[in-house]
Amino acid sequence: GAVVSQHPSWVICKSGTSVKIECRSLDFQATTMFWYRQFPKQSLMLMATSNEGSKATYEQGVEKDKFLINHASLTLSTLTVTSAHPEDSSFYICSARVSGRLSYEQYFGPGTRLTVT
Amino acid sequence: AQKITQTQPGMFVQEKEAVTLDCTYDTSDPSYGLFWYKQPSSGEMIFLIYQGSYDQQNATEGRYSLNFQKARKSANLVISASQLGDSAMYFCAMREGEASGGSYIPTFGRGTSLIVHP
Repeated sequence: GAVVSQHPSWVICKSGTSVKIECRSLDFQATTMFWYRQFPKQSLMLMATSNEGSKATYEQGVEKDKFLINHASLTLSTLTVTSAHPEDSSFYICSARVSGRLSYEQYFGPGTRLTVT
Repeated sequence: AQKITQTQPGMFVQEKEAVTLDCTYDTSDPSYGLFWYKQPSSGEMIFLIYQGSYDQQNATEGRYSLNFQKARKSANLVISASQLGDSAMYFCAMREGEASGGSYIPTFGRGTSLIVHP
């Protein structure tokens, strides 16, 4: 199956700093990537849909200026949490669709655990 | 309104027994897809099985089968011969508009925590 990687797998940062999370499709091209947020013991909440070469589409209630998404290539999307606060601490998961393959094929990265102190 | 409902926050099963995880959904779109994902404690989401609304037969993938009852809008996951490694969170998800390419964005349920006892 297709592999999606995320880096870093976990990060601790101080309040007020920015953190960048990378999502890469390793062996396929992904025209669309998705960013999710998951709080402990809760479901995944879609934050934004990222399309290569265009602006991301954010879900209602997600601050565009706080969660900057860049999808510069067919294999890389980045999520930058700007001016992080403790309430931004969460598990962030990206996923990617396989271009040209069956529409339901969507693969998830291993997630990034962010802790803001 | 919640589109995906998983009513079982937690389930316990004895090793080697079968277990059914419930999922009901709500949509007015005639074309949709249903997914089940497994999330072990490591956090990664693992795709298990997919059922399209127009598929004639219930989907099966190894020990996983999806009991698709369209009229009742349910898509229960059946795991046969449970193994200790099956202990994880299980999420049901739905994506609407499959026939037209859809939104490609699945909506997830709250999940069911499955614990397999030796």
